[in-house]
Amino acid sequence: ETGVTQSPTHLIKTRGQQVTLRCSSQSGHNTVSWYQQALGQGPQFIFQYYREEENGRGNFPPRFSGLQFPNYSSELNVNALELDDSALYLCASSLVSGDTEAFFGQGTRLTVV
Amino acid sequence: GENVEQHPSTLSVQEGDSAVIKCTYSDSASNYFPWYKQELGKRPQLIIDIRSNVGEKKDQRIAVTLNKTAKHFSLHITETQPEDSAVYFCAANPISGGYNKLIFGAGTRLAVHP
Repeated sequence: ETGVTQSPTHLIKTRGQQVTLRCSSQSGHNTVSWYQQALGQGPQFIFQYYREEENGRGNFPPRFSGLQFPNYSSELNVNALELDDSALYLCASSLVSGDTEAFFGQGTRLTVV
Repeated sequence: GENVEQHPSTLSVQEGDSAVIKCTYSDSASNYFPWYKQELGKRPQLIIDIRSNVGEKKDQRIAVTLNKTAKHFSLHITETQPEDSAVYFCAANPISGGYNKLIFGAGTRLAVHP
């Protein structure tokens, strides 16, 4: 098992609500990336945080936002939830170098009704 | 844009047979190519990776080959076992957009039948 932990594991929200997902990175890793994995698809890159700043972003609207804290843990916030936001949200921690392993957390299963 | 295509989407083999999954990528600057295995309800776990300065890498029953000219890479599993049944994802790390941004393929569901 990796040292990356996410909370909560499951969550049900109503359309239009806001949600905050949390991720604790593996010890020694200063980069956290967030991915959205819809059912039956591969993970899609949302954004990445390094030294408490967003360091890259995928094709997701501004209502997806995040934070990284001095201890390298991170939050993903999604405002104005839509039904299509229902997915498994994965965070991955890694060293900043571009070719090192990304360690995934177990994910948060978000269901929007 | 950045894209990784993966084939086949499903693969069914008999125990002991070999399985091959192929991926192509669009960003020629990509330099890191991991393969992840994801069992139902679990996190993706790295099973093998290859960097752009290497053409082939092997770890026991698993091997990966990379052809940078053709921009494709493949996963080979030999002597498959029922516990190899899972969804396998390839990914590529494009240079643009930030470090460690992985572009994933859509996945291959491998079923190994006893």
